[in-house]
Amino acid sequence: DIQVTQSPSSLSASVGDRVTINCRTSQSINIYLNWYQQKPGKAPKLLISSASTLQSGVPSRFSGSGSGTDFTLTISSLQPEDYATYFCQHTSSTPCTFGQGTKLEIK
Amino acid sequence: EVQLVQSGAEVKKPGESLKISCKGSGYTFSNNWIGWVRQMPGRGLEWMGIMYPGDSDTRYSPSFQGQVTFSADTSISTAYLQWNSLKASDTGIYYCARQVWTGLTDCFDHWGQGTLVTVSS
Repeated sequence: DIQVTQSPSSLSASVGDRVTINCRTSQSINIYLNWYQQKPGKAPKLLISSASTLQSGVPSRFSGSGSGTDFTLTISSLQPEDYATYFCQHTSSTPCTFGQGTKLEIK
Repeated sequence: EVQLVQSGAEVKKPGESLKISCKGSGYTFSNNWIGWVRQMPGRGLEWMGIMYPGDSDTRYSPSFQGQVTFSADTSISTAYLQWNSLKASDTGIYYCARQVWTGLTDCFDHWGQGTLVTVSS
């Protein structure tokens, strides 16, 4: 099975900051990597698929990059509504494991 | 509009059985894999597996193989997650999600609202 390591597990940042969250897989997965956002009490929401494809309606301050084993989610200028937990997920092969999550908190 | 609507919260005792549901609408239910994801209290997301309602092809995570059963009734566009004998460690929120192929990758593009399962004596 492919292991997914997400870092950091938590992050404190201010409105307007640039934030990066990382995901590393135990073997190469090409671009089979998705990012989700989850707010308290809500279901996850798909933000980015195939490492860098922004989903319709997702603000352009979100971006994704990477291929192979190393991937990054970047929020260029943090907004109040972005405080949430973020998960990556690989879909290269089953089981399609999620990363452990990054909780983004207000500084 | 694509929607997945899950059944309501459940409180069960250890050893009891349970079947929760996920009803799809706004798309052809048989034509997309449905995934199940567990979130234990205060924890992350765990991929349990996926099922293709059109032919009942199923892929379980090794962590959940033999512990749960996926099924579906395409006549009512509903997927099910079933336990035969619940344990306290099954307590958590269970999400269903529609899997789509974007042309580049699979992903869960629509999610149910989640079903809270509490197992306690």
